[in-house]
Amino acid sequence: AQRVTQPEKLLSVFKGAPVELKCNYSYSGSPELFWYVQYSRQRLQLLLRHISRESIKGFTADLNKGETSFHLKKPFAQEEDSAMYYCALSGGSSGSARQLTFGSGTQLTVLP
Amino acid sequence: EADIYQTPRYLVIGTGKKITLECSQTMGHDKMYWYQQDPGMELHLIHYSYGVNSTEKGDLSSESTVSRIRTEHFPLTLESARPSHTSQYLCASSGRGGTGELFFGEGSRLTVL
Repeated sequence: AQRVTQPEKLLSVFKGAPVELKCNYSYSGSPELFWYVQYSRQRLQLLLRHISRESIKGFTADLNKGETSFHLKKPFAQEEDSAMYYCALSGGSSGSARQLTFGSGTQLTVLP
Repeated sequence: EADIYQTPRYLVIGTGKKITLECSQTMGHDKMYWYQQDPGMELHLIHYSYGVNSTEKGDLSSESTVSRIRTEHFPLTLESARPSHTSQYLCASSGRGGTGELFFGEGSRLTVL
């Protein structure tokens, strides 16, 4: 069985401070990990995927198989980063979204 | 414009009523999904479809049913709504290639009194 845990339901940081949203997973095979984001009054959308090794809006996430983690980081938070963030895991072949499992989400608030 | 649409956005209905939540996408995607989301909780997959006339139940048991008669349309039906069905329902789609990116609709928030 695959599981995604986001231990923080709420996270507040000040503008300009570093931010880290935690995500841990359990999966016996080789997972694909994603971060989705939902800004206020907008729909849920993909932020980044580990396989792309990209930085989106200043955010990065590194897959740590030893610690089974995929934490989302940004060195200097901005107020527009305030949103709900979901970590998701795909355990199916070729990133099949059939197996996409979401965590419970972390509401990030960036204070001025 | 290529998009995924859900209607209604909000629905308040009495117990025992039959409801259908509509979902349509104009992105030419073959895969479509329904997720259920309660406040502060994770999204749970309740139905998915890989193409016309293909539907499967997801990880979370649901009394709802779905159909996929046309590629672009994936409605969800509750024959007899109950208060326990009160939730947000999110429709999503994805294309070929298996990148894992889902495109979500705006959601349908259902309240059963």
